[in-house]
This record gives sequence, structure tokens and C-alpha cells, in this order.
Amino acid sequence: EAGVAQSPRYKIIEKRQSVAFWCNPISGHATLYWYQQILGQGPKLLIQFQNNGVVDDSQLPKDRFSAERLKGVDSTLKIQPAKLEDSAVYLCASSLGARVYGYTFGSGTRLTVV
Amino acid sequence: GESVGLHLPTLSVQEGDNSIINCAYSNSASDYFIWYKQESGKGPQFIIDIRSNMDKRQGQRVTVLLNKTVKHLSLQIAATQPGDSAVYFCAEGDNQGGKLIFGQGTELSVKP
Repeated sequence: EAGVAQSPRYKIIEKRQSVAFWCNPISGHATLYWYQQILGQGPKLLIQFQNNGVVDDSQLPKDRFSAERLKGVDSTLKIQPAKLEDSAVYLCASSLGARVYGYTFGSGTRLTVV
Repeated sequence: GESVGLHLPTLSVQEGDNSIINCAYSNSASDYFIWYKQESGKGPQFIIDIRSNMDKRQGQRVTVLLNKTVKHLSLQIAATQPGDSAVYFCAEGDNQGGKLIFGQGTELSVKP
């Protein structure tokens, strides 16, 4: 089965610019997650979708971050405006259901804000 | 608050030796724990999991031990190989849904 696809792989932007990341989960996976992984740390959940609805966005900095999964398949994560501290790897993961923890991660998008 | 942490940030072992990576967790209500392996430039890769009603689970060359009394989790890798070199994370399952809480990670370096 194809894995979780993410693009772009790398992105460098200046602070105060905007950026968007794209994720295509494994076919049939209803649950999609976006995690932020700062260098040297473990991933931290930003937002969880179940189909096209948001389950948990309590850790999403909503003043600058937004995410959508309009048709319950692909998802985009946007940052506007970016700050230096947003430099991180943004990982997308998907799973069959919200309580199936052994989900599959994509390779991530490495964002550098200068 | 909730947290999952690792005792050792780096671990260097000789090829063929056994490796033990440790993790402490703080939420006694967590019911699911996973070990992930992350290689440079890749996303975390599932290794093995264990539910809170178990204290040991074995896979191929890997064993996870769970001690709920002291809230401690460990990953044992038998006959460590150069391909095992990576950062290893433990993660704690949120019993309210699919959210995982990750620890900081341990970098395992295998010397040939």
C-alpha cells in the first residue's frame, strides 16, 4: 500500500511570509494528524481530523496556523505569518480510526524560517 | 502536566550487543504505549506497541517492557545492527482518542 505522501519536502521562507503544506493520507484512512517536530524533540500534535471534521486542535496556534480537510481525504496546513520559531519538520500521519494508535507517518516537510 | 521523557539522550553500542532504551511517563491513566524509530529525513516508523494490561511484548529482535508501578517503559534490541542506528521515541497514547504524546528521543549509534 502507498504510504502517507507529503509535499514539499523542504521549504525556506522569510519570517512574516506564508507557507502551505500538503498531505495525502493512506487510502481509506479516516483519521489524519498534523504533528510539529522541532529539532531534537519528539513530535507534538497540532491537529487531528476525523474525516473532514476537527477532533482536536487544542495545540494549534490558531492566530497563525490553519488546517483543512475539506473532502475528508487530502489536507493542507498553512502558516501565516511565519515566525522564526516555526522552523520545524511538519509531519502528517493517518490511521483507520481515531483509536487506532499505530498510525503511519509521512516523511514530513522541513520548514526553515529565516 | 502530562509528559513522556527519556533517561538517556544518546546511546552508543557495539554491533552485536544488546541495546536498552528507557522511557519514563507521568500519566498513570495512559493505556497504550508505542516505540518509534526515526531515521534522518524520515518520519517515525512503528516498531512495537504495548497496552497497559501487559508488562512485556516481544517482536522480531525487539522487546518492550512496561512497569506500571514506577511508570517506566523500555525497548530492548537484541543483536544490535548498524541499521538500527536512529533516534528512538517512546509515545504515550491518549485514552481519549488517537493523540500521541512523544518523549524527547534517544539517539542510538551502533559501532561496527
